[in-house]
Amino acid sequence: DIQMTQSPSSLSASVGDRVSITCRASQNINNYLNWYHQKAGKAPKLLIYAASSLQAGVPSRFSGSGSGTDFTLTISSLQPEDFATYYCQQSFSSPRTFGQGTKLEIK
Amino acid sequence: QVQLQESGPGLVTPSETLSLTCTVSGGSIRSQYWNWIRQTPGKGLEWIGYISYSGTSNYNPSLKSRVSISLDSTKNQFSLKVTSVTAADTAVYFCARLAYYAGSGSSSFDFWGQGTLVTVSS
Repeated sequence: DIQMTQSPSSLSASVGDRVSITCRASQNINNYLNWYHQKAGKAPKLLIYAASSLQAGVPSRFSGSGSGTDFTLTISSLQPEDFATYYCQQSFSSPRTFGQGTKLEIK
Repeated sequence: QVQLQESGPGLVTPSETLSLTCTVSGGSIRSQYWNWIRQTPGKGLEWIGYISYSGTSNYNPSLKSRVSISLDSTKNQFSLKVTSVTAADTAVYFCARLAYYAGSGSSSFDFWGQGTLVTVSS
């Protein structure tokens, strides 16, 4: 199985801040990397697919970059509704695997 | 807008079979791939498997011996069965659509159900 490792595990930030979360794959996954966020008691929501493509309806303050083994999700200006847990997920091979999550909290 | 909704018992006895159904609305089950994913505090998000309308299925090797997923296109539903459950199968279970992007081979879980908590306990 491909292991996905996110850093940091948690992050405190303020509204308006620019934040980045990284995800590292245990082997080359090209650009087969997706990002989701999840609020308490809700399902994950797709933000970015294929490493850098913005899902329809997702605000443009979210962006993704990277290829191979190293990827980054950036939020350019945090909004109150962005405080959640963020997950990366690889779609390169089966079984599809997720990172352990990054909890983004209000400072 | 595609919507998914899980249903099934919230409590299952150890060694018995866990059965859940996902009802799809706002779109046809005759395209894309239909998945089950579970979430626990300890293991995080774990992909269980998928099925397609054509009958293609794929399961996580860690669960393959105990899992089956089936599809009923007449009801726009797909179902999960996990046999011989233990406390380790206690989780929030999500159904989700896996969409492939033409020309790229990339895929993502683009629509999810709200999730249902299944507890394994006597």
